[in-house]
Amino acid sequence: QQQVKQSPQSLIVQKGGISIINCAYENTAFDYFPWYQQFPGKGPALLIAIRPDVSEKKEGRFTISFNKSAKQFSLHIMDSQPGDSATYFCAASIGGNTGKLIFGQGTTLQVKP
Amino acid sequence: ETGVTQSPTHLIKTRGQQVTLRCSSQSGHNTVSWYQQALGQGPQFIFQYYREEENGRGNFPPRFSGLQFPNYSSELNVNALELDDSALYLCASSPGEDQPQHFGDGTRLSIL
Repeated sequence: QQQVKQSPQSLIVQKGGISIINCAYENTAFDYFPWYQQFPGKGPALLIAIRPDVSEKKEGRFTISFNKSAKQFSLHIMDSQPGDSATYFCAASIGGNTGKLIFGQGTTLQVKP
Repeated sequence: ETGVTQSPTHLIKTRGQQVTLRCSSQSGHNTVSWYQQALGQGPQFIFQYYREEENGRGNFPPRFSGLQFPNYSSELNVNALELDDSALYLCASSPGEDQPQHFGDGTRLSIL
């Protein structure tokens, strides 16, 4: 019940394309859903986050879509760039953005020039 | 720049030894969490401290312990190191009050 399942494990997208990463959860007590970007040798960096009372949030080229009834949420990266090549993690927590984060397994994104 | 600094960046230990990892957060960051990230996996929550008191613990044995100090620094101590403890250890801090957690770049611990 504490798991967050992420797919796909890896993704290759052409420059300018849309990258889509999906996550699913079981615990309906989760109240905060962030996405993190991690480059090799670095810690995860917060990209964008959403709360379950909102169905979509957009920040620049990054959009989270949230489906509360399906217990799923996804990250869309529009106009993907080679600099977006990194590992992306979805996460969920109880107790807002200072709570214990449960992470997905990660998606390695490669954007080809 | 997240304002979260971890030291050392890399560390090599042998089985059975003890290790202390350190994290320095910005002033006012009352909440600090530690995570373990095995190679190719997502980070796993070890424990969280709030105002120097433990405020939640993940599924890790008691040989993983921590401290948070009044100067917003914290420590992760691991006793009786095992080969499976080889991982990237991440510290994340937040000033609380509904502010997000920001991660340091971690300490890469290798157990031989």
